Amino acid sequence: DQQVKQNSPSLSVQEGRISILNCDYTNSMFDYFLWYKKYPAEGPTFLISISSIKDKNEDGRFTVFLNKSAKHLSLHIVPSQPGDSAVYFCAAVDYNQGGKLIFGQGTELSVKP
Amino acid sequence: EAGVAQSPRYKIIEKRQSVAFWCNPISGHATLYWYQQILGQGPKLLIQFQNNGVVDDSQLPKDRFSAERLKGVDSTLKIQPAKLEDSAVYLCASSFRTEEAFFGQGTRLTVV
Repeated sequence: DQQVKQNSPSLSVQEGRISILNCDYTNSMFDYFLWYKKYPAEGPTFLISISSIKDKNEDGRFTVFLNKSAKHLSLHIVPSQPGDSAVYFCAAVDYNQGGKLIFGQGTELSVKP
Repeated sequence: EAGVAQSPRYKIIEKRQSVAFWCNPISGHATLYWYQQILGQGPKLLIQFQNNGVVDDSQLPKDRFSAERLKGVDSTLKIQPAKLEDSAVYLCASSFRTEEAFFGQGTRLTVV
């Protein structure tokens, strides 16, 4: 069973526009979420996180929104740049299982010049 | 600060052969993870160590996969015998605190 879901396998956006990547989760006990970015042939790198006590966390061009009632979070990138082209993974921390990260399937973002 | 080191970067083996991957975590990180990432899917946790003790290995196929963490530092993951469906990228990660896991570049395994 997929506890963290990213239903869009790919997204294409024009440079300068906003990119919105979505993530849904099923376990209401999850209360800390992270976004990772992955370039080809590299490991995932941490991008931004959010705790359930917040509904928004911002870091430069990246903002993560959390809607606990809908069990939904989203990552906004504005303005999008060609260097943002990568696979983005949403992950939830499962503190009931030793703090392991449960990842979504990933969304491949392509930012076109 | 040096990152998580993994070797080899790539490995091609025939099915039923054995293979081993090595990971050196970031110095001072007590927690070490091995993830399997199959193409088109997100990383899936295979095993988590806290120092040299196992915290979670519920998704490790123990009939063929084994892992150890020597002296709470380096770790090896072994597959014996390999199957075609083991073709994936094997990612090692380490963390000082749960919410900040740092990943290595991964080992891409192809089983033919």
